[in-house]
Amino acid sequence: EAGVTQFPSHSVIEKGQTVTLRCDPISGHDNLYWYRRVMGKEIKFLLHFVKESKQDESGMPNNRFLAERTGGTYSTLKVQPAELEDSGVYFCASSQDWGPGQVFMNTEAFFGQGTRLTVV
Amino acid sequence: AQSVAQPEDQVNVAEGNPLTVKCTYSVSGNPYLFWYVQYPNRGLQFLLKYITGDNLVKGSYGFEAEFNKSQTSFHLKKPSALVSDSALYFCAARPIYNQGGKLIFGQGTELSVKP
Repeated sequence: EAGVTQFPSHSVIEKGQTVTLRCDPISGHDNLYWYRRVMGKEIKFLLHFVKESKQDESGMPNNRFLAERTGGTYSTLKVQPAELEDSGVYFCASSQDWGPGQVFMNTEAFFGQGTRLTVV
Repeated sequence: AQSVAQPEDQVNVAEGNPLTVKCTYSVSGNPYLFWYVQYPNRGLQFLLKYITGDNLVKGSYGFEAEFNKSQTSFHLKKPSALVSDSALYFCAARPIYNQGGKLIFGQGTELSVKP
């Protein structure tokens, strides 16, 4: 079974440019999450999709960030225009379970290898 | 605000010695607790989890973790460290009420095991 795949693995862009990150979750996983780790800090939640719907986007830093998950399969995270502080490692994760009241069959999220974004 | 703390940025251990990587949490309710490991140039890899039940949980690669509710801690342990255990370790908590499954992570602890 293929794991969570992220593209690209590295991206170096200039301030003001646009970058789009892509995440392919594990097939059949309804839940897709984006996280970010700024150098040396904790990994922070950005947003959560359930299928194609945004369930929670409370962690998105500002309106320069736009996430989509068309058709409930892969997801993209676009940063436009990029700023220096956007540099970091962006992780995507997917899982099958969700929500209180359900029987948790698989309670861990599976992560991709991350995209290292450097804005110069 | 809910948070997870890993008080040590780095832990150094000699091969063959026991290791402990500390984690405490401040999350409402009875969160699920996780440990993930990131090897160089790799993604986050699940190690183990605590949901309920026995306070000592066993995971991958000989790791285990001890849940202590009164101290709100979930320390990662291994009886005998290997050089190949050198990696970045993250503790995470998952609030279980109306939070959609998102994880709250600590800042990570770099484990270095020397021969």
